[in-house]
Amino acid sequence: EVQLVESGGGLVQPGGSLRVSCVASGFTFASYAMSWVRQPPGKGLEWVASLSGSGASRDYADSVKGRFSVSRDNSREVFFLQMNNLRVDDTALYYCAKKASSAPDDYLDAWGQGTLVTVSS
Amino acid sequence: SYELTQPPSVSVSPGQTARITCSGDKLGDKYPSWYHQKPGQSPVVVIYRDSNRPSGIPERFSGSKSGNTATLTISGTQTFDEGDYYCQAWDSGTEVFGGGTKLTVL
Repeated sequence: EVQLVESGGGLVQPGGSLRVSCVASGFTFASYAMSWVRQPPGKGLEWVASLSGSGASRDYADSVKGRFSVSRDNSREVFFLQMNNLRVDDTALYYCAKKASSAPDDYLDAWGQGTLVTVSS
Repeated sequence: SYELTQPPSVSVSPGQTARITCSGDKLGDKYPSWYHQKPGQSPVVVIYRDSNRPSGIPERFSGSKSGNTATLTISGTQTFDEGDYYCQAWDSGTEVFGGGTKLTVL
């Protein structure tokens, strides 16, 4: 069974940094691209970033480009999102999601439960 | 930036057919997917690559596309099907979600 478990969320001041993690199990982690998707309270889904299985190819939403970075440790089967220079409008539930294949344009076939990031002074 | 447009809400009576649309520029050249999210839960894919249904998703869920509009159809809608539905497509290195449609069954 595929499992994705996020952690690392919390309260951070504007301009601060936070790293959230996603521990994966139940599939061959290195063979699949991964994404982060966020959902502000009471609002819709917003894609944040994606990373290929090898870690060589990554894409970012314009809203986070230059501030956020994604990485992965395939030996430990963990997916990361480093968030710097956080803004109030980054407040959201951050989901880790697995793509159905190594293809960057494939759909998301498994999601974690999310970790809440709150940016506030 | 690329955008996908969905109606904010759709209402249907139990047992009837619900249709949720998603439109976007050149969507006909893309392969949209659909996700269902119930309150307090994570999204679940119900249709992928236009019209494919993952294992475990009931046959009453189907997807289609005509021109630049994709449609999620739920036949024999049940109260269990309530929630938010999002279409999603990939465009030039970015994943785009529609704004979501709240399905109410009453």
